[in-house]
Amino acid sequence: EPEVTQTPSHQVTQMGQEVILRCVPISNHLYFYWYRQILGQKVEFLVSFYNNEISEKSEIFDDQFSVERPDGSNFTLKIRSTKLEDSAMYFCASSEGQGSSYEQYFGPGTRLTVT
Amino acid sequence: TQLLEQSPQFLSIQEGENLTVYCNSSSVFSSLQWYRQEPGEGPVLLVTVVTGGEVKKLKRLTFQFGDARKDSSLHITAAQPGDTGLYLCAGEVEDSNYQLIWGAGTKLIIKP
Repeated sequence: EPEVTQTPSHQVTQMGQEVILRCVPISNHLYFYWYRQILGQKVEFLVSFYNNEISEKSEIFDDQFSVERPDGSNFTLKIRSTKLEDSAMYFCASSEGQGSSYEQYFGPGTRLTVT
Repeated sequence: TQLLEQSPQFLSIQEGENLTVYCNSSSVFSSLQWYRQEPGEGPVLLVTVVTGGEVKKLKRLTFQFGDARKDSSLHITAAQPGDTGLYLCAGEVEDSNYQLIWGAGTKLIIKP
């Protein structure tokens, strides 16, 4: 069964460093998403991406964040200068379409630890 | 700020008992989804409800969407240890361009 994959599973970085989290969405999906989940807190929407551009982003997704689909398979989230409060699980998801008729499939997540 | 309140936050019951988890908001949702999340994994969709008053069944799990589309419930009949996990609700707010807002989750433990 097709699945969303994410690498690395765990990333430790120092405050101020740049990190790139990588995702390979399901191949025929057109919509891509990033969510984060701070330990013990709710899942939070960060950004959605379609047709090589951001379709929606939340207040969390400030200028420190960027997303890119550098080739036909990868979807990346870059955090330019990490802060301690960026420590969280980051989930990538993809869907064939957008709306309640289309399931978002989630990857296993990348645990980001900023020290 | 749209909020989705989920209750209870934690529930530990004996195998065979019934339970209900609630998801409530003041916002109206185009759809509401229930997920299950295992430790170290991403959420997995269980069901999507779309119509006010809709009831969907998934084996021993019954999902209901409120008539006003502001709330939902998950009822488990005769809970099994395999039902243990974190259950999350997520709502697609009307006119929000399909953005999901999430409840904090209900951690369910079923003791044999």
